[in-house]
Amino acid sequence: DQQVKQNSPSLSVQEGRISILNCDYTNSMFDYFLWYKKYPAEGPTFLISISSIKDKNEDGRFTVFLNKSAKHLSLHIVPSQPGDSAVYFCAASDYGGSQGNLIFGKGTKLSVKP
Amino acid sequence: NAGVTQTPKFQVLKTGQSMTLQCAQDMNHNSMYWYRQDPGMGLRLIYYSASEGTTDKGEVPNGYNVSRLNKREFSLRLESAAPSQTSVYFCASSEALTSYEQYFGPGTRLTVT
Repeated sequence: DQQVKQNSPSLSVQEGRISILNCDYTNSMFDYFLWYKKYPAEGPTFLISISSIKDKNEDGRFTVFLNKSAKHLSLHIVPSQPGDSAVYFCAASDYGGSQGNLIFGKGTKLSVKP
Repeated sequence: NAGVTQTPKFQVLKTGQSMTLQCAQDMNHNSMYWYRQDPGMGLRLIYYSASEGTTDKGEVPNGYNVSRLNKREFSLRLESAAPSQTSVYFCASSEALTSYEQYFGPGTRLTVT
């Protein structure tokens, strides 16, 4: 059973507009969440993260929001740029739990059109 | 800094053949990981090494073995490859097991026919 779900396999956005990528989780023990970006034929690269004690974290054009009661997080990219076109993976960790490994969602492919 | 490097980049095996995927990191990280990614799927953890000298099973360890050769290197071995092991394999490292941010290599695309 998937513990981290990204229900939108793809998203298309116009350059300059906002991109919103969503992620839901089921395990209430998750205490840290990350977003990774992946270009074709490359490994995932870390983008931004958020601890469960926060509800928002910003880094430049990227903001992650966490709604613990809804077990939902989202990544906002403003403004979107063509170079943001990639697959975005949401990941979660129950660091205080077992082996501290990351549980990944299936990813959302973002296409930013010029 | 090269970060995390993996060899080979591509490999085609016949069913039953064996091979070892190599991974090395130059960031002085203590923990290392092997993931596989199948089409339309997220990354799934195969094995990990919290520190030099230790290895543990992840979510999908069957059909694989690992060796933490030293602090820098962590190899993944397929003893008898099966078509179900066709996948893209990623190695990653982190400062410690409790460090959330992991750094990934470029991946090895493996096809088993």
